[in-house]
Amino acid sequence: GEDVEQSLFLSVREGDSSVINCTYTDSSSTYLYWYKQEPGAGLQLLTYIFSNMDMKQDQRLTVLLNKKDKHLSLRIADTQTGDSAIYFCAESRTPGRALTFGSGTRLQVQP
Amino acid sequence: GAVVSQHPSRVICKSGTSVKIECRSLDFQATTMFWYRQFPKQSLMLMATSNEGSKATYEQGVEKDKFLINHASLTLSTLTVTSAHPEDSSFYICSASGQGINQPQHFGDGTRLSIL
Repeated sequence: GEDVEQSLFLSVREGDSSVINCTYTDSSSTYLYWYKQEPGAGLQLLTYIFSNMDMKQDQRLTVLLNKKDKHLSLRIADTQTGDSAIYFCAESRTPGRALTFGSGTRLQVQP
Repeated sequence: GAVVSQHPSRVICKSGTSVKIECRSLDFQATTMFWYRQFPKQSLMLMATSNEGSKATYEQGVEKDKFLINHASLTLSTLTVTSAHPEDSSFYICSASGQGINQPQHFGDGTRLSIL
């Protein structure tokens, strides 16, 4: 079955760049997502990428996809204290299917 | 963008109570919605797939008689936790995909259920 893995914790200083990594096992994964969850809140879609793309940039967020290694990363430039949250990587084969989530990476931004 | 509304956001009730959670797609029609469950400090686990006009599809280990799902319209799915017990206390989140090609899934804000 599908499996998605992430490191559990990342700490950075305000203003630095953050890089959150994710690996997945399903070679049929076509849609890869990054969601942000703040304490007690739901999931906020940050960005997503299709498997035929290598990179996608949206303001401070850059997603890199290495399909050969099944590795996905999210880079947050100029990280702010408001970026402190849990970031989930998720994948699905089609948009209409449920997502398989990683365990989430807790990002802590220190002033 | 697509918006998914989930209500209520928080429920505290006594053991044995049945609780209904609503998930609405506000600006798009969703033939399929998904219900997830999240325990503290854990990831989201799919509970069931809600299909408009037909029976929901439950994941292994999820009791369909315990977690009743109704998807009566293209914009509303409900999850009812029947005769809830403390072990049902969790964070329940729904999601739906927008219509059209390559639309990502959007999530509701979740419902925190606490059973005393």
